[in-house]
Amino acid sequence: GDSVTQMEGPVTLSEEAFLTINCTYTATGYPSLFWYVQYPGEGLQLLLKATKADDKGSNKGFEATYRKETTSFHLEKGSVQVSDSAVYFCAFYTGTASKLTFGTGTRLQVTL
Amino acid sequence: DTAVSQTPKYLVTQMGNDKSIKCEQNLGHDTMYWYKQDSKKFLKIMFSYNNKELIINETVPNRFSPKSPDKAHLNLHINSLELGDSAVYFCASSRLQGPYEQYFGPGTRLTVT
Repeated sequence: GDSVTQMEGPVTLSEEAFLTINCTYTATGYPSLFWYVQYPGEGLQLLLKATKADDKGSNKGFEATYRKETTSFHLEKGSVQVSDSAVYFCAFYTGTASKLTFGTGTRLQVTL
Repeated sequence: DTAVSQTPKYLVTQMGNDKSIKCEQNLGHDTMYWYKQDSKKFLKIMFSYNNKELIINETVPNRFSPKSPDKAHLNLHINSLELGDSAVYFCASSRLQGPYEQYFGPGTRLTVT
């Protein structure tokens, strides 16, 4: 069935380190891909998205590229800040299921 | 202005009680959702409504009943609360049903004792 696999957290990095959070998906049909972020005590908010193969979504220094051949949508940031500490969710939408399917989330902790 | 609001933010109640959570969006969106997030942060859709019509009804106990009086509101009523219902419940909305950005409310933390 449809699913999203994210790397287990927590991920702990020092400020200015490079970040990669891996995400792969199994989807029926041709999905649109998303990264959502949840800051402590808040709801989720969209970080970036990509709707077709080879598209790159980007926002606030974060990037992810839609790789259809490897069914992946890894999140990267060149230099993380303490304010990036949050839980990151990979997700996809297909018309077949008509809903967002989320991964289990990856907690990122950035320290000084 | 708050885009998607939920009340209450915290709800502590005893097993067997009936409770409601309210959600309102002022974005003019046609589609609204309820999600449940468990203690491990796993997020699962429960219901979605499009223009007051139920579109998605995942495998959720029928103790949970959503009600959409108009397209700006989607309330969640829970009967006979159980310990396992303890979670954070998020309301969300989007422009249309489809691969569109969903805007989430701040969540309601429900604790059943």
